[in-house]
Amino acid sequence: SQTIHQWPATLVQPVGSPLSLECTVEGTSNPNLYWYRQAAGRGLQLLFYSVGIGQISSEVPQNLSASRPQDRQFILSSKKLLLSDSGFYLCAWSEGPGQGAKTEAFFGQGTRLTVV
Amino acid sequence: GDSVTQMEGPVTLSEEAFLTINCTYTATGYPSLFWYVQYPGEGLQLLLKATKADDKGSNKGFEATYRKETTSFHLEKGSVQVSDSAVYFCALSSGGSNYKLTFGKGTLLTVNP
Repeated sequence: SQTIHQWPATLVQPVGSPLSLECTVEGTSNPNLYWYRQAAGRGLQLLFYSVGIGQISSEVPQNLSASRPQDRQFILSSKKLLLSDSGFYLCAWSEGPGQGAKTEAFFGQGTRLTVV
Repeated sequence: GDSVTQMEGPVTLSEEAFLTINCTYTATGYPSLFWYVQYPGEGLQLLLKATKADDKGSNKGFEATYRKETTSFHLEKGSVQVSDSAVYFCALSSGGSNYKLTFGKGTLLTVNP
């Protein structure tokens, strides 16, 4: 069966420090991968999605970047955190192209990031 | 583009009350529709889904029917429990070249004993 791992679960970082959040998926190949941010415990904002290694699409201009160095690894980064980067970050995956794109996404447990 | 509109709440009910959370959508073609649930401090879990018109998704006593004529996918439960307290998200996927899920803003449900 497929599983998704996201870490760390919580993170407190000072303003101006770098960020690296990691997400890995097991039990599937060539998945679509997503990073979402949830502010104020409610709405979900899609930040990045990837349909393959090295293919990253950005949904909103921001202080963050994403990379996909391996098929089932997705990394969210920042060189210098801002206070406004605080939030709950969720990684997700769905079946890749050619496997039926109209499928649900499966989410990790999230990372609570607090920038101080 | 695709969009999902759901009642924002918050919704507060007593245990054993009937629940309805409204969800309507705008999409090209024939999207798949989903309801996700998020318990405090956790990620999202798929609650139920429907992939074509008139399909009914169901799970854990929750139901939603894909209504193409009204572009709706309302979530219902006949008798809620305290453990159902969570945030509920309606979502759609149009598939094709668009691999993204589009979410509503979420509805906070609180069930009191």
